Amino acid sequence: GAGVSQTPSNKVTEKGKYVELRCDPISGHTALYWYRQSLGQGPEFLIYFQGTGAADDSGLPNDRFFAVRPEGSVSTLKIQRTERGDSAVYLCASGVTWNSPLHFGNGTRLTVT
Amino acid sequence: KNEVEQSPQNLTAQEGEFITINCSYSVGISALHWLQQHPGGGIVSLFMLSSGKKKHGRLIATINIQEKHSSLHITASHPRDSAVYICAALNLNYGGSQGNLIFGKGTKLSVKP
Repeated sequence: GAGVSQTPSNKVTEKGKYVELRCDPISGHTALYWYRQSLGQGPEFLIYFQGTGAADDSGLPNDRFFAVRPEGSVSTLKIQRTERGDSAVYLCASGVTWNSPLHFGNGTRLTVT
Repeated sequence: KNEVEQSPQNLTAQEGEFITINCSYSVGISALHWLQQHPGGGIVSLFMLSSGKKKHGRLIATINIQEKHSSLHITASHPRDSAVYICAALNLNYGGSQGNLIFGKGTKLSVKP
């Protein structure tokens, strides 16, 4: 069956631009997580959705970052006024519930020039 | 101090060796994940455990809740095991909600033929 799909796989944008990153989780998975991973570091938690609602958005670094999951399936991570420090691989993971094994997408590599 | 610490950071082994990667955490957890990330690749979930021991093929994961420590063992290691292994703690107490996942920085394993 299909796994977690993230698009685009790579995104290069100029400083100050707006970007959207998409995550298509496994069908039926209610838990969805966004993480950010910089080179040589472990993933850093950004936001967790349970269904349509953001159960925990404490990892979002500032108000330039926002994520939605309007129908409880696909999620979009939105970054406004991108900065070079936002460059990283953005990972999405889903699980049946919050306390289930996670399935990760291949990530979106964001480069802000 | 990170709430999830892994050791060693880097590990080089000869094919066939028995390998142990350690993970210590300082928060209360409901479960702990062991993940595998190949260079340039996505993350694969190996184990999720909250007590005792789990085994899958040549991989064994153990956890001691009282000591807040988990280990990942690889028996009869092979070059294809070369990857970054990451432990992630599902934080029980975070925000009083369903917690977030706190990642270690990973252990980079290289198995030489």
